[in-house]
Amino acid sequence: DAGVTQSPTHLIKTRGQQVTLRCSPKSGHDTVSWYQQALGQGPQFIFQYYEEEERQRGNFPDRFSGHQFPNYSSELNVNALLLGDSALYLCASRRRGQSYEQYFGPGTRLTVT
Amino acid sequence: GENVEQHPSTLSVQEGDSAVIKCTYSDSASNYFPWYKQELGKRPQLIIDIRSNVGEKKDQRIAVTLNKTAKHFSLHITETQPEDSAVYFCAARLSISNFGNEKLTFGTGTRLTIIP
Repeated sequence: DAGVTQSPTHLIKTRGQQVTLRCSPKSGHDTVSWYQQALGQGPQFIFQYYEEEERQRGNFPDRFSGHQFPNYSSELNVNALLLGDSALYLCASRRRGQSYEQYFGPGTRLTVT
Repeated sequence: GENVEQHPSTLSVQEGDSAVIKCTYSDSASNYFPWYKQELGKRPQLIIDIRSNVGEKKDQRIAVTLNKTAKHFSLHITETQPEDSAVYFCAARLSISNFGNEKLTFGTGTRLTIIP
């Protein structure tokens, strides 16, 4: 049983560019949340998708947007990249019908130069 | 919104001794408190969690206690081993009003080092 997967593993972008990160939840999971983890910090909640809709959002600007597909996979898009967007981006999924445990993917390390 | 404070930020423990990490939360409506272990360059791994209707939960060498009145919860690791060295994060989540309320608010992490 594959766990949560994310792609790409690492990414280097230039200020002003746009980036798309991808997440596939564990089998049987239907809810995907995205977190940003700056170096030496705890993860910060960006937003969460359930039934292909954004259900909850943290304190992130509109430059951060997302999407969930019918197969429950999800994308995180960041426009107009800033140096401060450099971080590890994690997605977490929760099993269908269960409302507590979230399991994280390995993350995408984004570096903005 | 919810705010979670975690301490200490670093902790060094002799192998075989116990380690305790403490967190406090601000919103009394929070009802779920997971703990994650993150090794260098790896994903956060759920190691134990507790719900607000329980005061204590144990899984082998790891235990978590919750004091709802004081709004704090703690992670206890007994008989520590070198492989316990990692960064540990506590988190809290507000009660679910409808399905899809998933936001976890994390503490700032504790770097635990086990000294052989």
